[in-house]
Amino acid sequence: AQSVAQPEDQVNVAEGNPLTVKCTYSVSGNPYLFWYVQYPNRGLQFLLKYITGDNLVKGSYGFEAEFNKSQTSFHLKKPSALVSDSALYFCAVRDKAGTASKLTFGTGTRLQVTL
Amino acid sequence: NAGVTQTPKFQVLKTGQSMTLQCAQDMNHEYMSWYRQDPGMGLRLIHYSVGAGITDQGEVPNGYNVSRSTTEDFPLRLLSAAPSQTSVYFCASSTPGHLYEQYFGPGTRLTVT
Repeated sequence: AQSVAQPEDQVNVAEGNPLTVKCTYSVSGNPYLFWYVQYPNRGLQFLLKYITGDNLVKGSYGFEAEFNKSQTSFHLKKPSALVSDSALYFCAVRDKAGTASKLTFGTGTRLQVTL
Repeated sequence: NAGVTQTPKFQVLKTGQSMTLQCAQDMNHEYMSWYRQDPGMGLRLIHYSVGAGITDQGEVPNGYNVSRSTTEDFPLRLLSAAPSQTSVYFCASSTPGHLYEQYFGPGTRLTVT
């Protein structure tokens, strides 16, 4: 069975500082990895994905994520945080054999960016 | 395009009542899914569909039914509501194939008393 772990319930960072939101995964075979963001009272919005190729993936709003196969990690990063980045972030995984409908999500990490 | 729409936005039910959560998408996506979101548990898959007439169970299907008579619509039925079904429900859709991300609706907040 596939699974995702987001070890931090909340990450606090000052505006302008770099941020990292951690994610580790477990799947049989090669993973497809995703990051989604959820703003208050809204649905999830897609940020970026790793399917294959370059281990550094760039996505929306200046976010990027680094795939590390040996550490089974897919950490979300941004060089300079904004207050508007404050939201709930979810990592998700699907194995290569799974259908597009069957994502497994982590429990979410709340990012709080302060002035 | 409206994307993925869900109705109602909020609903309060009494234990034992039944209701249907509506989900529609106008992107001609073949794949659709229902998730529930509970604090500290992330999103869990309830049911999903890979095309009209085809549905399957996800991780937490008990107490819920789905059908997919058209590509656009994927309603979720609560047969006999229980307090444990108090949650926020999200519908999602995607293009077939492993490469594509899911698009989510705005959610329905359901409270069962």
